Amino acid sequence: GIQVEQSPPDLILQEGANSTLRCNFSDSVNNLQWFHQNPWGQLINLFYIPSGTKQNGRLSATTVATERYSLLYISSSQTTDSGVYFCAVAFMYSGGGADGLTFGKGTHLIIQP
Amino acid sequence: DARVTQTPRHKVTEMGQEVTMRCQPILGHNTVFWYRQTMMQGLELLAYFRNRAPLDDSGMPKDRFSAEMPDATLATLKIQPSEPRDSAVYFCASGLVLDTQYFGPGTRLTVL
Repeated sequence: GIQVEQSPPDLILQEGANSTLRCNFSDSVNNLQWFHQNPWGQLINLFYIPSGTKQNGRLSATTVATERYSLLYISSSQTTDSGVYFCAVAFMYSGGGADGLTFGKGTHLIIQP
Repeated sequence: DARVTQTPRHKVTEMGQEVTMRCQPILGHNTVFWYRQTMMQGLELLAYFRNRAPLDDSGMPKDRFSAEMPDATLATLKIQPSEPRDSAVYFCASGLVLDTQYFGPGTRLTVL
C-alpha cells in the first residue's frame, strides 16, 4: 500500500548542530509538504516541495521525485527547533481524492542547550 | 495574516453527546480538509471538499461522523453519538488545488 516513512524516529542534538531528516514515499506524488509541530501542537508549514530544492533561512529541503524521497536540512539548530517534524504527501494515484495528505510518523527532534 | 480558524479549541463531553466542530478556511481557498491526530494512528485524513462539494470522505466513520460546508466560509464536522475512541485533536486545513495546505490550530476533543 501507499506509505510514507520517516527517519530517524528520534534525534537528540546539541544547540548549533546540523541535522538531516529523511522521508521516503512509495509512489508518485502531487504534493509533498514538511511541517513542524511545536510543543503546543500547532502544525507549521515549512515547505511545499513536490520536487526540487528550496531554502528558508536555516532550513532547506530537497525532493527527488524520481527516487521517491525528500530530505529536510536544519543547520545551526536552536532550542526552538525542538518538536516533531512531519513529512506528508498527496499520492497521484490514491484510491480516493488525489489531494489528501498521507502523513509519516514524524521525527521527534530535541535540541539541548 | 490569513489563517485557518477553528472553534472550539477544546471540548470535553460525555459519551453519547453530539459534538460539532467548526472551521473557517482562508478566504479564497477552494479546498477544505479535515484531519485527525491520535497517539495510536498519527495524523490521518478524514474528509475533504472542493468548492463546497465533498470529494473524499473515505477516512471518516460514516455511521457517526458527518462533514458539511454550509457556505464557503464555514466547514463543520459533527460526531453523533460521540464515543471515547473519538478523543483526538481534529485539524482543519485549507488550500488551493495541488498547493500548500494550511492547518488551523486544531480542536482537542475529549470524550469521557
